[in-house]
Amino acid sequence: GAVVSQHPSWVICKSGTSVKIECRSLDFQATTMFWYRQFPKQSLMLMATSNEGSKATYEQGVEKDKFLINHASLTLSTLTVTSAHPEDSSFYICSASGRVRSQPQHFGDGTRLSIL
Amino acid sequence: AQTVTQSQPEMSVQEAETVTLSCTYDTSESDYYLFWYKQPPSRQMILVIRQEAYKQQNATENRFSVNFQKAAKSFSLKISDSQLGDAAMYFCAYRSAIVGANSKLTFGKGITLSVRP
Repeated sequence: GAVVSQHPSWVICKSGTSVKIECRSLDFQATTMFWYRQFPKQSLMLMATSNEGSKATYEQGVEKDKFLINHASLTLSTLTVTSAHPEDSSFYICSASGRVRSQPQHFGDGTRLSIL
Repeated sequence: AQTVTQSQPEMSVQEAETVTLSCTYDTSESDYYLFWYKQPPSRQMILVIRQEAYKQQNATENRFSVNFQKAAKSFSLKISDSQLGDAAMYFCAYRSAIVGANSKLTFGKGITLSVRP
C-alpha cells in the first residue's frame, strides 16, 4: 500500500528555535498534502492544505507566518514551526493524497514536538 | 460546511463481544466518502473502512462493518469478535467527492474504545 514517511518522529528543542518537519510520499505522487495538529485525546485539527507548486491554504486561526508550509515537489512537503514556544508543543501529523479522489488519504506516523 | 458528530466520548466492550460506534454527519452534497480511522496509543492513523455514498451496500472488512443510512446521515461502525488490539481511539471522517471541492477530511471528535479481557 501507499506509504507516507514523516520525519522526525520526536523532537525536543529550546524555545525560540525553528523546527522543520518533513513529509514524503514514497510510492505515489502526492498532489495534495495536509498538515494536522493533535492534542492528547482530541481529534485532528487541520492546519493547512497544500497543493504541489502552490501556496498553502491555511485554516482560520492558524498563523501562516508561524507555521510555514512548502510543497515544492510531488513527493515532499515541509512544515516549519518558526521561533517555537512551549505553546507550540503538540503532535503534528501529515497526510498525502493523490490525483484520484476516491483513494483515501495516507497518513505519516506523526511528529511529537516538545518545546522547552 | 460539513460536520461530523461522534457523541459518545468513550465506550467499553468485553473481549469477543460486538460493539457499535455511532457517527452522524451533516452535508448538502450528494456525493462523498465516509471513513473510519483507528488511532492506537502509537498515534498512527490506520484506515479501518471506507464507504462511498453512491453505493447502497454497506462496506465490510473482516470483523469490521458499517451501517450506512444515507437518508438519516448516519454511519456507524460495528466491530465483531472484539480483540484487545482493537482498543484505540476511533475517528469518523467525511470527504467530499465533488470535483473541484476541497479534498480535506472532516473528522469527528473521536471515541475511545477500551476492550476488557
